[in-house]
Amino acid sequence: AQSVTQLDSHVSVSEGTPVLLRCNYSSSYSPSLFWYVQHPNKGLQLLLKYTSAATLVKGINGFEAEFKKSETSFHLTKPSAHMSDAAEYFCVVSPFSGGYNKLIFGAGTRLAVHP
Amino acid sequence: NAGVMQNPRHLVRRRGQEARLRCSPMKGHSHVYWYRQLPEEGLKFMVYLQKENIIDESGMPKERFSAEFPKEGPSILRIQQVVRGDSAAYFCASSPEGFSKGYGYTFGSGTRLTVV
Repeated sequence: AQSVTQLDSHVSVSEGTPVLLRCNYSSSYSPSLFWYVQHPNKGLQLLLKYTSAATLVKGINGFEAEFKKSETSFHLTKPSAHMSDAAEYFCVVSPFSGGYNKLIFGAGTRLAVHP
Repeated sequence: NAGVMQNPRHLVRRRGQEARLRCSPMKGHSHVYWYRQLPEEGLKFMVYLQKENIIDESGMPKERFSAEFPKEGPSILRIQQVVRGDSAAYFCASSPEGFSKGYGYTFGSGTRLTVV
């Protein structure tokens, strides 16, 4: 069975400091992995995706994530937080099964950024 | 390109009424997916449709919920006799035909259903 665990439900950082949002996955197949961001009362925006190419993936707004197969992790990082980064972040695994991609979402990490 | 369009953005229904949520996929996309987000939770898969076909409805509740994606027009998620527990945000996503591993979905902004 496939699953995603986001290790922190809430993360709080100061503006200008690094961000680390942790994600571990479980998948029987070689998965695709994504990070999505959801701002309050808004839809989901794709930040970045891993699809078995380079293990270090760069996304939008300065975010990046590293796929570590040995640790089954796909943590999201950003060197310097901005106030506009405050949002809910979802780690998502997409096992390749049945010829299409059913996304499996983690429970989310709410990022707060303080001045 | 208008993206995935969902309407209404907000929907209030009394218990026992019907809710109809609409989703127009991106131009050129023929695959539609519905997800539900309960308060303080991540999104959960409900159903996957192609034009005129339900491919996977393993995430749909067995009763009161149905979905369709007709040859013409938007995809519809229908909830009959709504109950308070149906209050959630419902998101639609679409993808192009010939979907393959690694394609990201494009999500709509969601419909927030409140049952009073």
